[in-house]
Parts: sequence; structure tokens; C-alpha cells
Amino acid sequence: DTAVSQTPKYLVTQMGNDKSIKCEQNLGHDTMYWYKQDSKKFLKIMFSYNNKELIINETVPNRFSPKSPDKAHLNLHINSLELGDSAVYFCASSGQLAGGETQYFGPGTRLLVL
Amino acid sequence: AQTVTQSQPEMSVQEAETVTLSCTYDTSENNYYLFWYKQPPSRQMILVIRQEAYKQQNATENRFSVNFQKAAKSFSLKISDSQLGDTAMYFCAFMNYGGSQGNLIFGKGTKLSVKP
Repeated sequence: DTAVSQTPKYLVTQMGNDKSIKCEQNLGHDTMYWYKQDSKKFLKIMFSYNNKELIINETVPNRFSPKSPDKAHLNLHINSLELGDSAVYFCASSGQLAGGETQYFGPGTRLLVL
Repeated sequence: AQTVTQSQPEMSVQEAETVTLSCTYDTSENNYYLFWYKQPPSRQMILVIRQEAYKQQNATENRFSVNFQKAAKSFSLKISDSQLGDTAMYFCAFMNYGGSQGNLIFGKGTKLSVKP
């Protein structure tokens, strides 16, 4: 069974559109994250959710909104897509927010904005 | 703010040989965790090894081991008996212990090519 899954794996869309990426984990973890990997492979945290509460928001534009219907899911909704949003987006989860817990990553979603 | 530096953008090694990837970090914290993640061409992020800063003993996982030098803020990864499947991007990452910050801070990565 896949521990952390994301859908879709690839997403091609036009500027100005709104899109969502879904993430699900079956590890029973309390914390989930979204990371962005840019074209130079640099990974940076976007959000984390702990028990359905937003913990970190690292100066991400408010066009990006994480939504967590339950602790097994953390979806990423993006409004008014821009060219600069093209990247690979990774979902991850861990047992706890603090304490050095290993984060397990999903397979990533490659977003291309035309 | 914490930073992680990987000074080797690319490296190559012959199959069966040993290679060491460098990582340094900057923090004023005493308790933290360090990780190496591997990202093969499949794009999947895979944990290779982790180290707790309070442990003096270097972590090992089969062919992978680290050289953790806390005073020097250095955390290098040694891959022994390199295999073709080790070809990947390798990311060093830092995580604070405790508090409200649970995110990983990544270096820019080292692209490792294992040649037959």
C-alpha cells in the first residue's frame, strides 16, 4: 500500500486557472506538509498541518490555500495560477510536528503553467 | 535562521567505489536532527539516513554512513560500494527539535552519478 499518495502526478494548465492537488496518507500521522521544488531542484516548505491546524505558512502567496478535511488528507488549492507556480509539489507526513520525526514524502505532482 | 549548504553540485563515482558528499549547516540551536534524502530520476524522495544531534555516534544504514561533526557543523554522507541504483540527487536537511517548527530545511542538493 502506498504510504503517501498524491493526485494528479502531472498537471498542465493555463495561466489564470484554479487547480487543486490532493494528498492522502495512510500512516496514521498527525502532521502533513506541502513542499515546493523549483526548476533548480531546491525544496522549500510551504505549509504544514498538525491535527487540522495550520502551523507554518512560509510567506506563500495567499493564492495558495491548504485544506484538510481530516488528518489523513491535506489538499493544496491554487487560485489564479501564474507561470512562476510551475514546479513539483510534494506532500509529506510525519508522526509529530516536533521531535525529529522522519517525514515520508509522496511521489510529487509536476505542475506546468502555460 | 538555519541554513544548509551542499558545496558539491555534481559528483561522479565508479561502481563499487566509495564517495563522500559534503554538507554543512548553520544554527544556534543545540538540539536538532539531520537527514539525508535521496531523489532518483523517479522523483520520489527517499530517506537515506538520519542523525540526532545529541548522539555522538555516527549513524549507519548498510552501505550508507555519516560523519557528524557537531562543533564544525558538518554532516557528510559516505556511500560505500557504490551501485548504479545510487545515481540520484542527494539532499541534506536540517530540522529543529521541539518548538513549533517541524519543517525540513534543505540544501540545494548534490547530483551523484555512478558510472559502470
